[in-house]
Amino acid sequence: GENVEQHPSTLSVQEGDSAVIKCTYSDSASNYFPWYKQELGKGPQLIIDIRSNVGEKKDQRIAVTLNKTAKHFSLHITETQPEDSAVYFCAAATGNQFYFGTGTSLTVIP
Amino acid sequence: SAVISQKPSRDICQRGTSLTIQCQVDSQVTMMFWYRQQPGQSLTLIATANQGSEATYESGFVIDKFPISRPNLTFSTLTVSNMSPEDSSIYLCSVGVVEQFFGPGTRLTVL
Repeated sequence: GENVEQHPSTLSVQEGDSAVIKCTYSDSASNYFPWYKQELGKGPQLIIDIRSNVGEKKDQRIAVTLNKTAKHFSLHITETQPEDSAVYFCAAATGNQFYFGTGTSLTVIP
Repeated sequence: SAVISQKPSRDICQRGTSLTIQCQVDSQVTMMFWYRQQPGQSLTLIATANQGSEATYESGFVIDKFPISRPNLTFSTLTVSNMSPEDSSIYLCSVGVVEQFFGPGTRLTVL
C-alpha cells in the first residue's frame, strides 16, 4: 500500500518568515495530494490541494508543489503569522483511499 | 464543502463500557469515513460506511469492536465497544470521495 512520509515533525519560525513542509509518497497511482491544518481541539481542515496533472498551486500565502517523478510534494507558507501555528498533515490519495503523513507541528513565534 | 457535526465532542469513560459517537452531515453523501487519531499521531482509517450496506473495515479493525450504523445518507454512528485505555483517541468522521472534509472530532479518554 501507499506510504507517506512527512518532515519535519516540528518546525518553529519567526513571524514573517517562510515555512516549508515536505512529504514523499511511494505509490505512483496516487493522484490527489491535499494538505490539512489541525488546530488544537478541532478536526483537520483542508487548506489546499493539488492533483497529479498540476505542478504547482497557490492560494494567497499558501502554495503547494508536486514532483511526480520524484514522488514528493511540499507545502510552502509565506509571511507566517501566529495564527498559522497548528499541526499540518499531508496526504496522498487514489480514489477514496487517503493515506496521511505523520504531521508537522508548526509554531510561529511572534 | 460539507458541514459536519459530531456528538459528543469529548467524553471520559470507564474501562469495559461502550460509547456511541454520532456524525451528522448537512447534505446527503454516499460514503462516510471513520478515522482514529491517537495522541500525537496521524489519522488511521477505521472503516468506510455506505448507506444500505455493511461497513468496510480496514486491517486491524473489526466490527465487534467498532460497530457502525449508517441509517441514512446524512448520519452515521461509530460505537467503541468494551473500551480499554488504549482506545483513548480522537475519533473523526469525514465525507467526500475526491476531497475529504472532517468533522470536529470526539475526544475519548478511557480510564
